[in-house]
This record gives sequence, C-alpha cells and structure tokens, in this order.
Amino acid sequence: EAGVAQSPRYKIIEKRQSVAFWCNPISGHATLYWYQQILGQGPKLLIQFQNNGVVDDSQLPKDRFSAERLKGVDSTLKIQPAKLEDSAVYLCASSLETGFNQPQHFGDGTRLSIL
Amino acid sequence: DAKTTQPPSMDCAEGRAANLPCNHSTISGNEYVYWYRQIHSQGPQYIIHGLKNNETNEMASLIITEDRKSSTLILPHATLRDTAVYYCIVRASGYSTLTFGKGTMLLVSP
Repeated sequence: EAGVAQSPRYKIIEKRQSVAFWCNPISGHATLYWYQQILGQGPKLLIQFQNNGVVDDSQLPKDRFSAERLKGVDSTLKIQPAKLEDSAVYLCASSLETGFNQPQHFGDGTRLSIL
Repeated sequence: DAKTTQPPSMDCAEGRAANLPCNHSTISGNEYVYWYRQIHSQGPQYIIHGLKNNETNEMASLIITEDRKSSTLILPHATLRDTAVYYCIVRASGYSTLTFGKGTMLLVSP
C-alpha cells in the first residue's frame, strides 16, 4: 500500500512570508494528524482531523497556523506569517480511525527553514 | 498520558540483540505501550505495541514487566539500518494522540 505522501520535501522562506504544506494520507484512513518536530526533539501534535472535522487543535498556534481537510482526504497546513521559531520538520500522519489502538503511519515530512 | 523515561543513547554491535529499556512507572491500567522509531530524515515508523502481554512481530519483541512499570524493546539481530531514534510512548486506549519524548538514539556499529 502507498504510504503517506507529503510535499514539498524542503522549503526555504523569509520570516513574515507565508507557506503551505500538503499531505495525502493512506487510502481509507479517516484520521489525519499534523505534527511539528523541532531539531533534537520528538514530534509535537499540532492538529488532528477525523474525516473533515477537527478533533484536537489545542496545540495549534491559531494566530498564524491554519489547517484544513476538505472532503476528508487531502490536507493542507498553512503558516502566515512565518516566524524564525517555525523552522522545523512538519510531519503528516494518518490512521484508520480514532482510538481502538490503530497505529499512526507517518510521511517523511517537509523541512521548513526560515531565514 | 503517563510519562516515560528512556536512556538518551545506546550502542549495539551489528548482529547482536539490541535491548532498549523504557520506564513508565505511572502507567494506568488502560494505557498501552507503543514503540516507534525514526531513521534520520524520515518520519517515525510504528514498530509494536502491547498492553500487558509480551508481543512479537516481524520487526521486534516487546517485553512488559508484570507490574507494567517498565518495558524492553528487543531487536533480535540488529543491523546498520536499525540505527535510529527509538521512542517509547504510553497511550490510553481509545485515545489516539501520541506524545513523543526525546527517545533513545541507537547506534548500530559494524
């Protein structure tokens, strides 16, 4: 089965610019997650979708970050405007459904560098 | 979710068993132990999970102590490709969020 697809693989922007990341989850996976991984740390959850509804966005900095999952499949994560501290790898993951101990499957992420 | 404690780094010789420990002394009865690993420049990869019984799959074995306060992930014959950061995560049943710590950096050497 095809894995979680993310693009772009790398992105370099200047502070105050905007950027968007795209994620295509594994086919049939209802739950989709976005994580932020700062260098030297473990991934931190930003937002979780169940189909096209938000389950948890408590860690999402909503003044600058937004995410959507139209039609319950692909998802985009946007940062506007970017700050230096947003430099990180942004990981997308998906699982069959919320709970029931379904493992999450991760993409290889987008590495964002802010100049 | 309960907090986990892992050593920051471990070394293992190629072909030998790698035993990665994890302490989770505050684990609750409905919390599972999950292991993921992250190879450099890749996303985390699911390895195995368990509640109280020992588990084995094609990648690894998970040994959970009887009191469930600690566990060990065993890679029976480590290869250079097993060099990665290994994360031990405790997660409540029916709750899907994963809380990652800093994990253990396992270096497998020839």
